[in-house]
Amino acid sequence: QLQLQESGPGLVKPSETLSLTCTVSGGSISSSSYYWGWIRQPPGKGLEWIGSIYYSGSTYYNPSLKSRVTISVDTSKNQFSLKLSSVTAADTAVYYCARHFKIVAVDWFDPWGQGTLVTVSS
Amino acid sequence: QSVLTQPPSASGTPGQRVTISCSGSSSNIGSNYVYWYQQLPGTAPKLLIYRNNQRPSGVPDRFSGSKSGTSASLAISGLRSEDEADYYCAAWDDSLSGPGEVFGGGTKLTVL
Repeated sequence: QLQLQESGPGLVKPSETLSLTCTVSGGSISSSSYYWGWIRQPPGKGLEWIGSIYYSGSTYYNPSLKSRVTISVDTSKNQFSLKLSSVTAADTAVYYCARHFKIVAVDWFDPWGQGTLVTVSS
Repeated sequence: QSVLTQPPSASGTPGQRVTISCSGSSSNIGSNYVYWYQQLPGTAPKLLIYRNNQRPSGVPDRFSGSKSGTSASLAISGLRSEDEADYYCAAWDDSLSGPGEVFGGGTKLTVL
């Protein structure tokens, strides 16, 4: 069955760049109809979609984060990655990766990784 | 401030029926499907309802979804203690400022 696992530093300094990788196992990241997404959840708060990428490199980004976000894909490693620049304490959150099924008006996230907490602090 | 509006909390006793509302606009719920996610304490969210009212394999039929206009609802019948969780609605938003996925702020369901 498909599984996703986030990895990366748990602590990032303010103004630096947050970098995370999601490794997909049990299936190919190059599957058609599937994007691969990042969603975050600040402690005690709700979910916020960050962006999604197709294996070809096509992306959608949250307009409110677009200027600071880069999502890339490495099909040879079955991985996709998130970079968020100029981070502040407001970027402290649990970051989830998930498979994003998306065709026209239909889209959902399933399954999700277990999530990784990233704290922004000096 | 979430794009989709949900009540912050809901509660019920075992066996009861509870509904959670989700309000949006013409650019999201009004023109796209609605999805519901269940987040049990300390775990990642899980897809609960897709395409307004469809249940993935393994989701009990006690959970049902509906949509009307720019609003949607999640209903849980025969409430059980293991249903205590946070529930989030979601939809794609065709906003002119940039399309993307939007979530509700979440509803914490307490089983009394």
